[in-house]
Amino acid sequence: DAGVTQSPTHLIKTRGQHVTLRCSPISGHKSVSWYQQVLGQGPQFIFQYYEKEERGRGNFPDRFSARQFPNYSSELNVNALLLGDSALYLCASSLYPNRQGSSYEQYFGPGTRLTVT
Amino acid sequence: KQEVTQIPAALSVPEGENLVLNCSFTDSAIYNLQWFRQDPGKGLTSLLLIQSSQREQTSGRLNASLDKSSGRSTLYIAASQPGDSATYLCAIYGNKLVFGAGTILRVKS
Repeated sequence: DAGVTQSPTHLIKTRGQHVTLRCSPISGHKSVSWYQQVLGQGPQFIFQYYEKEERGRGNFPDRFSARQFPNYSSELNVNALLLGDSALYLCASSLYPNRQGSSYEQYFGPGTRLTVT
Repeated sequence: KQEVTQIPAALSVPEGENLVLNCSFTDSAIYNLQWFRQDPGKGLTSLLLIQSSQREQTSGRLNASLDKSSGRSTLYIAASQPGDSATYLCAIYGNKLVFGAGTILRVKS
């Protein structure tokens, strides 16, 4: 079975531009999460989606948005790009989202490397 | 707010040495803990997942332990090899997944 896939692999954008990153979860997984990893740090949680609804949001500005489609794939959008948005963006899928009293293992994709110049 | 700390930040050892990587967390109300490996510029490779009811997990030369009461986990690597060189990340499952900053391991041949 295919794992989590992300596209594109690499992306170079200019400050002020907009970017869309895409993620396809493992077949049967209904929840998708997004993480940002800047150089030298661990991944930081951005969003979690389940059945097209946002189930969690990290401490990121409103320039960051996401959505999930009926086939459970997801897009992460970032507007008005800043130099500080340069990072590896990771997508993870799980059967279900985190919920009170339980959590489900997340499986990570290879990431999209975004460079903002 | 869950905070995860990994010590040391970097480690360099000769090939064949046994080593221990440390992870500490501030909130003991966790569900699972997972150790990942990350090669430069690459995504995350899952190494071991410890459920909150377990105390340790083993896979090959790797052994991870979990002590919720003290807020600590260790990853033990036996007979290290140059191919083990990578960044090792600890992640805590709570209401969200929280990562440490990682330990950069270099195994010298």
